[in-house]
Amino acid sequence: DTGVSQNPRHKITKRGQNVTFRCDPISEHNRLYWYRQTLGQGPEFLTYFQNEAQLEKSRLLSDRFSAERPKGSFSTLEIQRTEQGDSAMYLCASSSWGQGQETQYFGPGTRLLVL
Amino acid sequence: GIQVEQSPPDLILQEGANSTLRCNFSDSVNNLQWFHQNPWGQLINLFYIPSGTKQNGRLSATTVATERYSLLYISSSQTTDSGVYFCAVTHYGGATNKLIFGTGTLLAVQP
Repeated sequence: DTGVSQNPRHKITKRGQNVTFRCDPISEHNRLYWYRQTLGQGPEFLTYFQNEAQLEKSRLLSDRFSAERPKGSFSTLEIQRTEQGDSAMYLCASSSWGQGQETQYFGPGTRLLVL
Repeated sequence: GIQVEQSPPDLILQEGANSTLRCNFSDSVNNLQWFHQNPWGQLINLFYIPSGTKQNGRLSATTVATERYSLLYISSSQTTDSGVYFCAVTHYGGATNKLIFGTGTLLAVQP
């Protein structure tokens, strides 16, 4: 168990550019979540995958955001035409469901700064 | 939607002191987790505790689901305990188990 990993750890981009983040979950976990955290706030849910199916998207996920989990393993989150308001920490979590329990484990996050 | 509030918002302790952090939630929950977010932003799992009491070293947690609150106890605090503590819940009957985070408690432990 190597934990959840995210790349890159930091990203600085100019407004209007596209960025893509990657999340590698814990290997046996079939559930994967993306959250966003802005300064001074708790993380907020963005979207959720069970295996390769994207089952829920938050209203926070505008049409500039897209997420994929093509083979039910790693996931990518892409932001097109970035805006300064997209600056935040993007967190990925994975979990598995068993015996009525689900514990989510978080990666170290990708910190995005849009200039 | 479900509301999750934490208190106190900020707490300053001397090393060695004990503290209690509180999490109130406005509706029934399936899941409750406590996290410690370190200064680098990593969320570290402390407890999965939808009900009952658990202990792990100097930390313990109690959730009274019927009264919709959870408590995190930190004993003999150390400077490495500094950071933000979040509780997060999943709403009972919700379509997914997305976590809804509380407002957080910022803890500073001084040597």
